[in-house]
Amino acid sequence: IAGITQAPTSQILAAGRRMTLRCTQDMRHNAMYWYRQDLGLGLRLIHYSNTAGTTGKGEVPDGYSVSRANTDDFPLTLASAVPSQTSVYFCASSERGTASPLHFGNGTRLTVT
Amino acid sequence: DQQVKQNSPSLSVQEGRISILNCDYTNSMFDYFLWYKKYPAEGPTFLISISSIKDKNEDGRFTVFLNKSAKHLSLHIVPSQPGDSAVYFCAAIEYGNKLVFGAGTILRVKS
Repeated sequence: IAGITQAPTSQILAAGRRMTLRCTQDMRHNAMYWYRQDLGLGLRLIHYSNTAGTTGKGEVPDGYSVSRANTDDFPLTLASAVPSQTSVYFCASSERGTASPLHFGNGTRLTVT
Repeated sequence: DQQVKQNSPSLSVQEGRISILNCDYTNSMFDYFLWYKKYPAEGPTFLISISSIKDKNEDGRFTVFLNKSAKHLSLHIVPSQPGDSAVYFCAAIEYGNKLVFGAGTILRVKS
């Protein structure tokens, strides 16, 4: 089934550790996004990529980095995790940027202790 | 300051009745609005959208209304079904910019 695959499903991470959340799509969508979902705050954009080879900062980029080496993969890295990064992380893609609806993965639940 | 606000954290409705989920926004430059639905342990899925040049868009049991002067939109679900129980996110776009999401409303449809 075409869609977005995120890994891991959940993770408990010690503060200060490095972590990469993986995201792969098989729909050949140009645009990809990383959101975090927090209670009472909805979904907030961390980073995005309009096409392979380009990335941009969203609303809450600090402490996170991304890369887009090819169309299918868009990993999110936490260089040195902090407890405030405890959240549910969603990767999404869209065919034509914000002109088309986003397709989301099932999320990664990350707990930083 | 949140540009897209869903002031009701939760809503409970009887099966078969109408569910009305509300959303307010502050940015008058938003020109496209969407509703996403999210089940537990799944990602959000697109439900319905509306352009700012329209005031209503209908898709089966789901209708979205837009009142630009009031900067308000609402999602109506008629009739509500237990399978509609989920979190509903309102989102808005300013042309060329990214989606801005509301905090979400939990809908519970009681059978």
